[in-house]
Parts: sequence; C-alpha cells; structure tokens
Amino acid sequence: EPEVTQTPSHQVTQMGQEVILRCVPISNHLYFYWYRQILGQKVEFLVSFYNNEISEKSEIFDDQFSVERPDGSNFTLKIRSTKLEDSAMYFCASSTLAGALNTGELFFGEGSRLTVL
Amino acid sequence: SQQGEEDPQALSIQEGENATMNCSYKTSINNLQWYRQNSGRGLVHLILIRSNEREKHSGRLRVTLDTSKKSSSLLITASRAADTASYFCATDWHNAGNMLTFGGGTRLMVKP
Repeated sequence: EPEVTQTPSHQVTQMGQEVILRCVPISNHLYFYWYRQILGQKVEFLVSFYNNEISEKSEIFDDQFSVERPDGSNFTLKIRSTKLEDSAMYFCASSTLAGALNTGELFFGEGSRLTVL
Repeated sequence: SQQGEEDPQALSIQEGENATMNCSYKTSINNLQWYRQNSGRGLVHLILIRSNEREKHSGRLRVTLDTSKKSSSLLITASRAADTASYFCATDWHNAGNMLTFGGGTRLMVKP
C-alpha cells in the first residue's frame, strides 16, 4: 500500500541551526502539507502546497519556514534558524485533489521528531 | 478561530465495550474527519463525513454529525485492546482552503 515517508525520524539540533525535514508523498497525490504537534498538544496546520506553490499557510509558518518540491518526488520543510519552541513532531501529509474548498482524506507520514537544544 | 474540541480527554473501557467520543467545533464546515494516532506514530484517517451527511458507518465505526449543534460523535463498537490510541476530529471549514483544524484528542485505553 502506498505511503508517505519522512526522514529523518529524529533530529537533534542546536538553537540557531538550519534544519531540513524531508518527505516523499504518495506518488499520484497533488496536495502536500506540513503539520506539527508539540508534545502533548494539538496537531497544528503549517502549510499546504499545490501546483508548486503555497496554497495556504498558518500564522506559525513565518519567515523562518519554507517549503520546496525540488524534484518530482520530494517535499521539504526548511527551518532557517531553529528556536527552542520549534521542538515538535513534524508530520508531512498528502492528498488527492478534492476540490478547492474541500479537503479530503489526508495520508500522513510517521513524522520527524525535532529536538532543539 | 475555528477549533475542534473532543471530550472526554481520556476514556478507559474494557474490551468488548463500546467507546463514544465527542467533538465540538465553532464555525461552519465542509466536512469533518476522524483520525487515529498510536503513541508516537503518524495519524491514520478513519472516516470522513460531509456537512450534508448525518451518519456514516465503516466497519465497527459509526460517526454522526449534527451541524445545528456543531458537534460530531465517533462510536467504536465491540472495542479491542488494539483500539487503544488517541482519536482526533479534524474540521475543514469554509473558506479555509486545504487545511484541517484538529481537536485536542481523546486518549482511549481498552483493557483486555
């Protein structure tokens, strides 16, 4: 069964360092997402990506964050200068086209745990 | 802002019993989805119910949606120890584009 894969599963970094989290969405999906979950808290939307551009982003997704689809398979989240509060589990997800205002089922990866020291 | 809130926050039952989890939200929605998360793992989609639907079944899962009360419930019948997980509702609200807003989740423990 096709699945979303994420690497690394766990990354430890020093505050101020750049981090790149990688995702391979399901191959025939068209929408891509990043969500994060701080330990013990809700899953929060960061950004959605369609047709090689950001379609929606939350207030969390500030100038420190960027996303890229550098080739036909990978989807990356970059945090330019990490802060302590960026420590969280970051989930990549993908979905098929379900309409501009109607998000369908999302398929999530297993997550990348980021620890900022 | 749009929010989904589940209750109870935690639920402990015996295997074979039914588990009911509730979700409330604040604004009009396109659809409501339920996801499951095993500890430390990713989220797995369980079921999606559209705003014009009132009830939906999938195996041992039954979801209801009451848009007048802005609430939904997830019923797991004949629970199993393997159902132990956190369960989240997620709403896709009007004009939000392609994003889901998740609730805080219900931690379900099914004791064998």
